[in-house]
Formats: sequence, structure tokens, C-alpha cells
Amino acid sequence: EPEVTQTPSHQVTQMGQEVILRCVPISNHLYFYWYRQILGQKVEFLVSFYNNEISEKSEIFDDQFSVERPDGSNFTLKIRSTKLEDSAMYFCASSDRQDEQYFGPGTRLTVT
Amino acid sequence: AQRVTQPEKLLSVFKGAPVELKCNYSYSGSPELFWYVQYSRQRLQLLLRHISRESIKGFTADLNKGETSFHLKKPFAQEEDSAMYYCALAETSGSRLTFGEGTQLTVNP
Repeated sequence: EPEVTQTPSHQVTQMGQEVILRCVPISNHLYFYWYRQILGQKVEFLVSFYNNEISEKSEIFDDQFSVERPDGSNFTLKIRSTKLEDSAMYFCASSDRQDEQYFGPGTRLTVT
Repeated sequence: AQRVTQPEKLLSVFKGAPVELKCNYSYSGSPELFWYVQYSRQRLQLLLRHISRESIKGFTADLNKGETSFHLKKPFAQEEDSAMYYCALAETSGSRLTFGEGTQLTVNP
């Protein structure tokens, strides 16, 4: 069964550094999402992406964040200048519109 | 703004006992409701969605619009049901999911 994959599984970075989290959605899916979960808190929506543009974003998704689908298979989340409070589990998801969102295993980001 | 509340962070039952995981929501329109499950060291996966009205792994959930609830129930819990359960809401198919805080279910032998 096809699955969403994410790399790396764990990323440690220093405050102020740029980080790129990578996702490979399920191949025939057209809708892509990023969520995050700070330890002990809810899973929170960050951004959704369709037809090569952002379709919706939350108040968390400020100018420090960007998303890209650089090559038709990868879907990336970039954080330009990481802060301590960006430490979280980041989940990518994809869907084919009428169906469920399929989640990746997550990337644990630790900002020191 | 939409909101999903799961009042129990932890729920512990014995094998064979009935289990109910509570979920309440606030949203002015007609949302889609989901239950996602995360087994230990595995990814989030969809368990149920209200529009399909299915029973998956013995679990059912009924949308009660009057009480704005979508409680998850199983008449006889099994040890393999131990997991984190998240209730989630979407305005329409494909839109963002708003999650509850999650309930950690432990089924004891």
C-alpha cells in the first residue's frame, strides 16, 4: 500500500538556522498538508497546498515558513530562521480530495 | 472558529469492557468529523469518518448534531486497541483538519 514518507526522521538544528523538512506524498494525490505537534499539545494545521500554490494557511504559518513542490514528487517545508519554539513533530499529509488525509511518520525537529 | 474537545487525556479499561472516547466540537456549519488513531511508534491513520457510517475494528461513532458530539464507542475492548485516539473536524472534504487534544486509551489484560 502506498505511503507518505518523510525525511529526516529527526533533525537537530541550532536556533537561527534554516531547516528544510522533506515529504514524498502518495503519487496520485493532489492535495498536500503540513501539521505540527509540539510535545504535549494538539496536532495543529500549518498549511495546505494544491495546484502549486498555498490554498490555506494558519496563523502559525508566518513569513518564516514556506512550502514548495520543487520537482513534482517532493513537498518541502522550509523554516528560514528557527526558534526554540519551532521544536515539534512535523507531519506531512496528502489526499486526493474526496478521500482521507494520509499522514507521514513525522519529522522530529529539535532546535537548540 | 472551529474547536474540538476531548475531555479525557487518559482512559484505562479492562479487556472485554465497553469503551467510549468522548469528542465534542464547536462549528457553526455542518462539518465532517473523523477519528484518527496512532498506535505506538506508528503514524496517524484514519479510523472512522462520520459520513461513511462504518464500523471499523468494532468501533462506531455517531454524529449527534444536537449535542455537537462524535463519541467513539466499542462494546468489547481488546488489548490491541491501546493507542492514542484523536477526534478531528474538517469544514469540507479536503480542508484543514482541526484536532482535539487526543485520548490515550490503555486496555489492560
